Amino acid sequence: EAQVTQNPRYLITVTGKKLTVTCSQNMNHEYMSWYRQDPGLGLRQIYYSMNVEVTDKGDVPEGYKVSRKEKRNFPLILESPSPNQTSLYFCASSLLFRGLSEKLFFGSGTQLSVL
Amino acid sequence: AQSVTQLDSQVPVFEEAPVELRCNYSSSVSVYLFWYVQYPNQGLQLLLKYLSGSTLVESINGFEAEFNKSQTSFHLRKPSVHISDTAEYFCAVIWMDSSYKLIFGSGTRLLVRP
Repeated sequence: EAQVTQNPRYLITVTGKKLTVTCSQNMNHEYMSWYRQDPGLGLRQIYYSMNVEVTDKGDVPEGYKVSRKEKRNFPLILESPSPNQTSLYFCASSLLFRGLSEKLFFGSGTQLSVL
Repeated sequence: AQSVTQLDSQVPVFEEAPVELRCNYSSSVSVYLFWYVQYPNQGLQLLLKYLSGSTLVESINGFEAEFNKSQTSFHLRKPSVHISDTAEYFCAVIWMDSSYKLIFGSGTRLLVRP
């Protein structure tokens, strides 16, 4: 089954404790992206990647890191989480050729709470 | 700056009533337009899209949206909603300039009551 898998589904942590949210897709998609969803703000892009070893900042990259060492994986790293990073996070992927004009495939989300 | 506006944060409606969810975007240059739906505790799914051609596009579950270039709008409509349509709906736009960036609106929660 074609899917984007995020883990964990829920995460509670404390300020300053490094964490990683994993994202994996099995569709051989070149394009992958991370979004955060906050009430009243919709989805805002954190980082995106057009292919292996190619990453770029989105609209709200501060406090986040990503890596794309393999095509299928695109982990989101919070080196020193802060309470304002409490949010619902989504990973998404698509084909690059006509990709965004086709559709994005989304993971089920990771609800992060930073205390 | 490019922006997507969904003025209604929540739309309550009774079952079998018609509904319209509004979406406006900031510029009239060439765009691709999308509606995504998010059911509770799930990720977003593509509902329908406009790339070119007929300005009226339809989904398989009875929703339709019409591209209006002069009003820079892409409102989503359904003539008769079901309880199962309760979800959050996001309008999204790609501007066909050099950025080719997908921007989402803030979302509209459709609440269908029996």
